[in-house]
Amino acid sequence: DIQMTQSPSTLSASVGDRVTITCRASQSISSWLAWYQQKPGKAPKVLIYKTSSLESGVPSRFSGSGSGTEFTLTISSLQPDDFATYYCQQYNDYWTFGQGTKVEIK
Amino acid sequence: QLHLQESGPGLVKPSETLSLTCTVSGGSISSSTFYGGWIRQPPGKGLEWIGSIYYSGSTYYKPSLKSRVTISVDRSKNQFSLKLSSVTAADTAVYYCARHVGLYSPFDYWGQGTLVTVSS
Repeated sequence: DIQMTQSPSTLSASVGDRVTITCRASQSISSWLAWYQQKPGKAPKVLIYKTSSLESGVPSRFSGSGSGTEFTLTISSLQPDDFATYYCQQYNDYWTFGQGTKVEIK
Repeated sequence: QLHLQESGPGLVKPSETLSLTCTVSGGSISSSTFYGGWIRQPPGKGLEWIGSIYYSGSTYYKPSLKSRVTISVDRSKNQFSLKLSSVTAADTAVYYCARHVGLYSPFDYWGQGTLVTVSS
């Protein structure tokens, strides 16, 4: 199984902050990485696929980068609607999620 | 707009079999780009992929769950289903069904999720 490790587990930030979340894979997954946002009581929503492609309708303040085993999700200017939990997911070999990063209000 | 909806018992006894169905509307499950997946999330924890099925019936299971999981498809009803046998309290979770369009594809449409509790 490919293991996905996110950091940090929790992130405290303010509206307007630039936020970066890191995801590391236990082996190379090429560019087969997605990022999801999940709010309490709701299903996850895909934000970015294939490392850096923005899903339709997702604000451009979200961006992704990386390749191989190290990837990042960046929110350029945190908005009130962005406080949520974020998961990375590899789909190079079946599907595995990271443990999640909770973005909370500072 | 594709819509997925999970249904099934919310309470299952230990050692029994958990059975859930995902009904798809707004699109056909009999599409060469339709894969249906099951993902679960224990209360307060992260997401775990359980398995997926292609519209033709080909299945893909998480290796550590493979011995207990069966996923099937009923194209006539536009549904796919999950069976998880010999459940324990550790299988208590919100279970989601979701669509993906290929083996190298994230999950782009999700159901709302259904909580299944394993308890006597």
